[in-house]
Amino acid sequence: GQQLNQSPQSMFIQEGEDVSMNCTSSSIFNTWLWYKQDPGEGPVLLIALYKAGELTSNGRLTAQFGITRKDSFLNISASIPSDVGIYFCAGRPANAGGTSYGKLTFGQGTILTVHP
Amino acid sequence: DTAVSQTPKYLVTQMGNDKSIKCEQNLGHDTMYWYKQDSKKFLKIMFSYNNKELIINETVPNRFSPKSPDKAHLNLHINSLELGDSAVYFCASSQESRVLQFFGPGTRLTVL
Repeated sequence: GQQLNQSPQSMFIQEGEDVSMNCTSSSIFNTWLWYKQDPGEGPVLLIALYKAGELTSNGRLTAQFGITRKDSFLNISASIPSDVGIYFCAGRPANAGGTSYGKLTFGQGTILTVHP
Repeated sequence: DTAVSQTPKYLVTQMGNDKSIKCEQNLGHDTMYWYKQDSKKFLKIMFSYNNKELIINETVPNRFSPKSPDKAHLNLHINSLELGDSAVYFCASSQESRVLQFFGPGTRLTVL
Protein backbone atom coordinates (compact mmCIF):
# COMPACT_ATOMS: atom_id res chain seq x y z
CA GLY A 1 0.00 0.00 0.00
CA GLN A 2 0.89 3.66 0.00
CA GLN A 3 3.64 4.74 2.33
CA LEU A 4 4.82 8.14 3.42
CA ASN A 5 8.40 8.60 4.56
CA GLN A 6 8.66 11.27 7.20
CA SER A 7 11.97 12.68 8.36
CA PRO A 8 13.62 13.16 10.67
CA GLN A 9 12.20 10.53 13.01
CA SER A 10 13.10 12.68 16.01
CA MET A 11 14.56 16.08 16.78
CA PHE A 12 16.07 17.56 19.92
CA ILE A 13 16.34 21.33 19.78
CA GLN A 14 16.78 24.35 22.01
CA GLU A 15 13.96 26.76 22.64
CA GLY A 16 14.02 29.53 20.05
CA GLU A 17 15.44 27.42 17.25
CA ASP A 18 13.65 26.86 13.96
CA VAL A 19 12.51 23.38 12.95
CA SER A 20 12.08 21.75 9.55
CA MET A 21 10.61 18.37 8.75
CA ASN A 22 9.41 16.76 5.56
CA CYS A 23 7.33 13.99 4.13
CA THR A 24 7.85 12.19 0.84
CA SER A 25 5.85 9.74 -1.20
CA SER A 26 6.60 7.49 -4.14
CA SER A 27 3.37 8.57 -5.81
CA ILE A 28 1.49 11.79 -6.42
CA PHE A 29 -0.75 13.16 -3.70
CA ASN A 30 -3.52 15.72 -4.18
CA THR A 31 -3.87 16.70 -0.53
CA TRP A 32 -1.36 17.03 2.27
CA LEU A 33 -2.22 17.47 5.93
CA TRP A 34 -0.07 18.12 8.97
CA TYR A 35 -1.18 17.02 12.44
CA LYS A 36 0.31 17.39 15.91
CA GLN A 37 -0.23 14.84 18.67
CA ASP A 38 0.39 15.79 22.28
CA PRO A 39 1.09 12.98 24.77
CA GLY A 40 -2.12 11.20 25.72
CA GLU A 41 -4.20 13.10 23.18
CA GLY A 42 -5.47 12.63 19.65
CA PRO A 43 -3.89 14.22 16.57
CA VAL A 44 -4.90 17.84 16.01
CA LEU A 45 -5.02 19.25 12.49
CA LEU A 46 -2.49 22.06 11.97
CA ILE A 47 -2.44 22.83 8.26
CA ALA A 48 -4.12 21.52 5.10
CA LEU A 49 -2.65 21.90 1.59
CA TYR A 50 -4.53 21.32 -1.65
CA LYS A 51 -2.42 22.61 -4.56
CA ALA A 52 1.12 22.00 -5.76
CA GLY A 53 3.33 24.85 -4.61
CA GLU A 54 0.82 26.04 -2.02
CA LEU A 55 2.38 27.69 1.02
CA THR A 56 0.19 28.06 4.10
CA SER A 57 0.94 29.46 7.55
CA ASN A 58 -0.68 28.94 10.92
CA GLY A 59 1.03 31.19 13.44
CA ARG A 60 4.66 30.11 13.70
CA LEU A 61 3.99 27.08 11.51
CA THR A 62 4.41 27.11 7.74
CA ALA A 63 3.79 24.18 5.44
CA GLN A 64 4.31 23.75 1.71
CA PHE A 65 2.89 21.39 -0.88
CA GLY A 66 5.86 20.30 -3.01
CA ILE A 67 5.92 21.15 -6.69
CA THR A 68 6.34 17.50 -7.66
CA ARG A 69 3.22 16.68 -5.58
CA LYS A 70 5.24 13.91 -3.97
CA ASP A 71 6.38 15.80 -0.90
CA SER A 72 5.47 18.35 1.74
CA PHE A 73 7.39 20.36 4.29
CA LEU A 74 6.59 21.77 7.71
CA ASN A 75 8.60 24.53 9.36
CA ILE A 76 8.24 25.82 12.90
CA SER A 77 9.88 29.11 13.69
CA ALA A 78 11.17 30.21 17.10
CA SER A 79 10.22 26.98 18.86
CA ILE A 80 8.77 27.05 22.37
CA PRO A 81 8.41 24.25 24.95
CA SER A 82 4.75 23.63 24.09
CA ASP A 83 5.78 22.66 20.54
CA VAL A 84 6.83 19.32 22.00
CA GLY A 85 4.92 16.41 20.51
CA ILE A 86 4.67 14.14 17.52
CA TYR A 87 4.09 15.73 14.12
CA PHE A 88 2.40 13.61 11.48
CA CYS A 89 2.05 14.23 7.80
CA ALA A 90 -0.92 12.66 6.06
CA GLY A 91 -2.17 12.71 2.54
CA ARG A 92 -4.61 11.45 0.01
CA PRO A 93 -3.14 9.88 -3.13
CA ALA A 94 -4.18 11.40 -6.44
CA ASN A 95 -5.44 8.03 -7.63
CA ALA A 96 -7.72 7.52 -4.64
CA GLY A 97 -11.26 6.86 -5.62
CA GLY A 98 -14.31 4.82 -4.80
CA THR A 99 -14.13 3.32 -1.36
CA SER A 100 -10.62 4.70 -0.85
CA TYR A 101 -11.84 8.25 -1.25
CA GLY A 102 -11.70 9.21 2.41
CA LYS A 103 -8.67 7.13 3.22
CA LEU A 104 -5.65 9.02 4.52
CA THR A 105 -2.13 7.67 4.52
CA PHE A 106 -0.03 8.74 7.50
CA GLY A 107 3.70 9.16 7.91
CA GLN A 108 5.41 7.53 10.86
CA GLY A 109 5.74 10.84 12.71
CA THR A 110 8.52 13.18 13.83
CA ILE A 111 9.04 13.35 17.58
CA LEU A 112 10.00 16.88 18.59
CA THR A 113 11.67 17.65 21.91
CA VAL A 114 12.33 21.27 22.86
CA HIS A 115 14.80 22.04 25.65
CA PRO A 116 14.10 25.26 27.55
CA ASP B 1 -18.43 21.52 23.37
CA THR B 2 -16.22 18.53 22.60
CA ALA B 3 -16.11 17.82 18.86
CA VAL B 4 -15.20 14.11 18.83
CA SER B 5 -15.45 12.21 22.09
CA GLN B 6 -14.60 8.65 23.01
CA THR B 7 -15.32 6.50 26.02
CA PRO B 8 -13.63 5.07 27.89
CA LYS B 9 -10.27 6.85 27.92
CA TYR B 10 -8.55 3.80 29.37
CA LEU B 11 -9.60 0.16 29.14
CA VAL B 12 -7.73 -2.64 30.89
CA THR B 13 -9.05 -6.16 30.41
CA GLN B 14 -8.13 -9.81 30.32
CA MET B 15 -7.45 -11.88 27.22
CA GLY B 16 -10.56 -13.49 25.84
CA ASN B 17 -12.95 -10.81 27.05
CA ASP B 18 -15.29 -8.81 24.82
CA LYS B 19 -15.24 -5.02 25.04
CA SER B 20 -16.69 -1.97 23.31
CA ILE B 21 -15.43 1.55 22.70
CA LYS B 22 -17.90 4.32 21.96
CA CYS B 23 -17.45 7.38 19.79
CA GLU B 24 -19.64 10.41 19.26
CA GLN B 25 -19.14 13.53 17.15
CA ASN B 26 -21.14 16.77 17.30
CA LEU B 27 -19.63 18.34 14.18
CA GLY B 28 -22.49 17.34 11.91
CA HIS B 29 -20.13 15.16 9.85
CA ASP B 30 -21.45 12.17 7.95
CA THR B 31 -18.27 10.07 7.84
CA MET B 32 -16.57 8.47 10.82
CA TYR B 33 -13.43 6.37 11.16
CA TRP B 34 -11.59 4.07 13.53
CA TYR B 35 -7.78 4.11 13.62
CA LYS B 36 -5.32 1.98 15.54
CA GLN B 37 -2.07 3.49 16.81
CA ASP B 38 0.57 0.94 17.73
CA SER B 39 3.45 1.22 20.18
CA LYS B 40 5.59 2.86 17.48
CA LYS B 41 2.91 5.55 17.09
CA PHE B 42 2.01 4.44 13.56
CA LEU B 43 -1.59 5.35 12.70
CA LYS B 44 -3.49 2.87 10.58
CA ILE B 45 -7.09 3.12 9.47
CA MET B 46 -9.35 0.22 10.37
CA PHE B 47 -12.86 1.21 9.29
CA SER B 48 -14.82 4.06 7.80
CA TYR B 49 -18.57 4.62 7.84
CA ASN B 50 -20.50 7.10 5.71
CA ASN B 51 -24.11 7.71 6.68
CA LYS B 52 -24.16 4.47 8.67
CA GLU B 53 -22.78 2.51 5.72
CA LEU B 54 -19.42 0.72 5.85
CA ILE B 55 -17.09 2.34 3.29
CA ILE B 56 -13.57 1.32 4.24
CA ASN B 57 -12.77 -2.02 5.83
CA GLU B 58 -9.07 -2.64 6.01
CA THR B 59 -7.58 -6.04 6.75
CA VAL B 60 -8.79 -6.28 10.30
CA PRO B 61 -9.63 -9.52 12.15
CA ASN B 62 -13.35 -10.17 12.14
CA ARG B 63 -13.21 -10.06 15.94
CA PHE B 64 -13.49 -6.30 15.38
CA SER B 65 -16.96 -5.15 14.48
CA PRO B 66 -17.90 -1.50 14.04
CA LYS B 67 -21.48 -0.42 14.56
CA SER B 68 -23.00 2.89 13.57
CA PRO B 69 -26.46 3.49 15.06
CA ASP B 70 -26.62 6.95 13.48
CA LYS B 71 -24.38 9.47 11.70
CA ALA B 72 -23.09 10.90 14.95
CA HIS B 73 -22.00 7.64 16.54
CA LEU B 74 -19.57 4.89 15.61
CA ASN B 75 -18.83 2.20 18.16
CA LEU B 76 -16.16 -0.49 18.01
CA HIS B 77 -16.83 -3.90 19.51
CA ILE B 78 -13.97 -6.33 19.96
CA ASN B 79 -14.53 -10.01 20.68
CA SER B 80 -12.09 -12.47 22.23
CA LEU B 81 -9.43 -9.86 22.98
CA GLU B 82 -5.81 -10.82 22.36
CA LEU B 83 -2.55 -9.40 23.68
CA GLY B 84 -1.78 -7.92 20.26
CA ASP B 85 -4.93 -5.81 20.42
CA SER B 86 -3.26 -3.58 23.00
CA ALA B 87 -2.96 -0.15 21.39
CA VAL B 88 -4.53 3.28 21.32
CA TYR B 89 -7.71 3.43 19.25
CA PHE B 90 -8.78 6.74 17.75
CA CYS B 91 -12.12 7.72 16.35
CA ALA B 92 -12.25 10.48 13.73
CA SER B 93 -14.85 12.20 11.60
CA SER B 94 -15.05 14.23 8.42
CA GLN B 95 -17.56 15.59 5.97
CA GLU B 96 -17.98 13.05 3.15
CA SER B 97 -16.02 14.59 0.35
CA ARG B 98 -13.37 16.23 2.48
CA VAL B 99 -10.13 14.75 3.78
CA LEU B 100 -10.03 16.99 6.83
CA GLN B 101 -10.42 14.44 9.58
CA PHE B 102 -10.87 15.44 13.19
CA PHE B 103 -9.73 13.02 15.84
CA GLY B 104 -11.03 12.06 19.25
CA PRO B 105 -8.78 11.87 22.34
CA GLY B 106 -8.17 8.14 21.98
CA THR B 107 -8.85 5.02 24.05
CA ARG B 108 -5.84 3.21 25.42
CA LEU B 109 -6.65 -0.51 25.43
CA THR B 110 -4.44 -2.81 27.48
CA VAL B 111 -5.02 -6.54 27.25
CA LEU B 112 -3.44 -8.60 30.03
